[in-house]
Amino acid sequence: SQTIHQWPATLVQPVGSPLSLECTVEGTSNPNLYWYRQAAGRGLQLLFYSVGIGQISSEVPQNLSASRPQDRQFILSSKKLLLSDSGFYLCAWSDMTYEQYFGPGTRLTVT
Amino acid sequence: ELKVEQNPLFLSMQEGKNYTIYCNYSTTSDRLYWYRQDPGKSLESLFVLLSNGAVKQEGRLMASLDTKARLSTLHITAAVHDLSATYFCAVDEVGNEKLTFGTGTRLTIIP
Repeated sequence: SQTIHQWPATLVQPVGSPLSLECTVEGTSNPNLYWYRQAAGRGLQLLFYSVGIGQISSEVPQNLSASRPQDRQFILSSKKLLLSDSGFYLCAWSDMTYEQYFGPGTRLTVT
Repeated sequence: ELKVEQNPLFLSMQEGKNYTIYCNYSTTSDRLYWYRQDPGKSLESLFVLLSNGAVKQEGRLMASLDTKARLSTLHITAAVHDLSATYFCAVDEVGNEKLTFGTGTRLTIIP
């Protein structure tokens, strides 16, 4: 069966510091991968998605970037965090049915 | 641009009552998904509706899809407290690898 992991689970970072969040999927090959952000009490904002290694589509211009160095690894990064980057970051994967399966999430607080 | 609207945004209801959450979307699609999110947690898949007239039921929840009206409903029967959560619908636009999520409906069941 398929499993999706995210780490860290929680993170508190000062403004201006770098960020690296990691997502890995087990039990499937060539998944589509997605990064979402959810502000407190709000809906989901799609940040990036990837249909293959090195292929990244950006949905929202901002100070975040994503990379997919391996088939089942998706990384979200920032060089300098802003207060507005605080939120709940969710990674998801899908297969050809396009149903998305979500990871446990990373709660980021920028102070 | 695909738009997905849910209503109501907030719903407070008594145990034992019935209610319906509505999900409207703006463009052609025959794939719609319902997710549940508990406070502080990730999203859990509830239903996948893949064709016009599709109906799925699980316990006290039943989801249906009318692609001609571009409308899905999530019906709650005889609500119980453990159904309290935020419910999201999401639509897969034809030819797209990504889902567009509704704003969510925060459901609170009062004993």
